[in-house]
Amino acid sequence: NAGVMQNPRHLVRRRGQEARLRCSPMKGHSHVYWYRQLPEEGLKFMVYLQKENIIDESGMPKERFSAEFPKEGPSILRIQQVVRGDSAAYFCASSPNSLAGGHAQGEQFFGPGTRLTVL
Amino acid sequence: DAKTTQPPSMDCAEGRAANLPCNHSTISGNEYVYWYRQIHSQGPQYIIHGLKNNETNEMASLIITEDRKSSTLILPHATLRDTAVYYCIVRDSFGNEKLTFGTGTRLTIIP
Repeated sequence: NAGVMQNPRHLVRRRGQEARLRCSPMKGHSHVYWYRQLPEEGLKFMVYLQKENIIDESGMPKERFSAEFPKEGPSILRIQQVVRGDSAAYFCASSPNSLAGGHAQGEQFFGPGTRLTVL
Repeated sequence: DAKTTQPPSMDCAEGRAANLPCNHSTISGNEYVYWYRQIHSQGPQYIIHGLKNNETNEMASLIITEDRKSSTLILPHATLRDTAVYYCIVRDSFGNEKLTFGTGTRLTIIP
């Protein structure tokens, strides 16, 4: 069972461009979370999605950021008109629908992250 | 905001037990204590969680005080690969809530 996959692993954008970060959850997981980690800081929650629904977006900046988790395909975190302050590591996590395979209830499995650098 | 308090850093000799404390004095009855760690530049990794009883798995042990206001994560025989930032998180396990990370404890295993 492959883990959470994120791509690209590294992304370089110039100010004003768009960044698209992709996350494929573990098989059988329908809950996806996005977190951001600024340099030398802890992880901050951004958004929690289930298939086709945004459940909690309390950590998302009000402008330029959006997320989706379509019925088919990966979850996408989209950042429009990037600025230097968007440079960070973006981590995706997934969790299962229910207790299965001995996993801890509520356990989130994290991907390797996408490191965004805005020039 | 994080509901936990942890020391910013700790050192531990290789082969010794590493004991990482966490204070969570405002924990409520239905909240669990979770531990994750983040090895440099990688995604966080789940370690263990518990409600009120002590827990043990292949990675670590979790000791929770009777009043549940604090806990200790124990890595019984620390190796260099255990060098990481360790996060103690309080959350309701029965939802699929977000994880609220604090600043964690940077554990350095010394050869």
